[in-house]
Amino acid sequence: QVQLQESGPGLVEPSETLSLTCSVSGGSISNYYWNWIRQTPGKGLEWIGYIHYTGSTKYNPSLKGRASISMDTSKNQFSLKLTSVTAADTAVYYCVRDAGFDYWGQGILVTVSS
Amino acid sequence: QTVVTQEPSLTVSPGGTVTLTCASSTGAVSSGHYPNWFQQKPGQAPRTLIYSTNNKHSWTPARFSGSLLGGKAALTLSGVRPEDEAEYYCLLYYGGAHWVFGGGTRLTVL
Repeated sequence: QVQLQESGPGLVEPSETLSLTCSVSGGSISNYYWNWIRQTPGKGLEWIGYIHYTGSTKYNPSLKGRASISMDTSKNQFSLKLTSVTAADTAVYYCVRDAGFDYWGQGILVTVSS
Repeated sequence: QTVVTQEPSLTVSPGGTVTLTCASSTGAVSSGHYPNWFQQKPGQAPRTLIYSTNNKHSWTPARFSGSLLGGKAALTLSGVRPEDEAEYYCLLYYGGAHWVFGGGTRLTVL
């Protein structure tokens, strides 16, 4: 059974960088696409981007280049960095495997506030 | 900016049938949009029911089905149960390799 678990700070100051890691167990990240998705009360679900196991990445254009996703196959983890955060980036962040978006992490609430 | 539109809310009686739809501001939804459907209950992460238009995961109840209908993606629930009350989201794929979620449909079973 594949399991994903998000980790990282729950509070980030405005203008700083949000950094999250997704640890994958029960399967290797050396296959499939691996996504970050977030959910805010006001805007619903939003796809942030993905990384393919080959290392290729794609991002939501609405984030205007602020997002970056990387992976560490030795740790079976992938990570998200979101720069220059504002209160609008306050959300629950999910990591999700794309084999039909089958496995989701439980989500981590990140609040942007000083 | 691409907008994906779903019915904000629907109500269905137990045992009934209901169809949720997912429309694209760019035109007709096709299999090339690889429509996905998710169910979310309060306090839980979304759960994927349907991927690539009409494919089910092993956990997807048989009463859920996906299709293309009148230029939209559709999720049909037949023989609705009280536990189907939830928020349902669709997700479409667009060229340039990015995905866009719909705003969600709140399904009430009453």
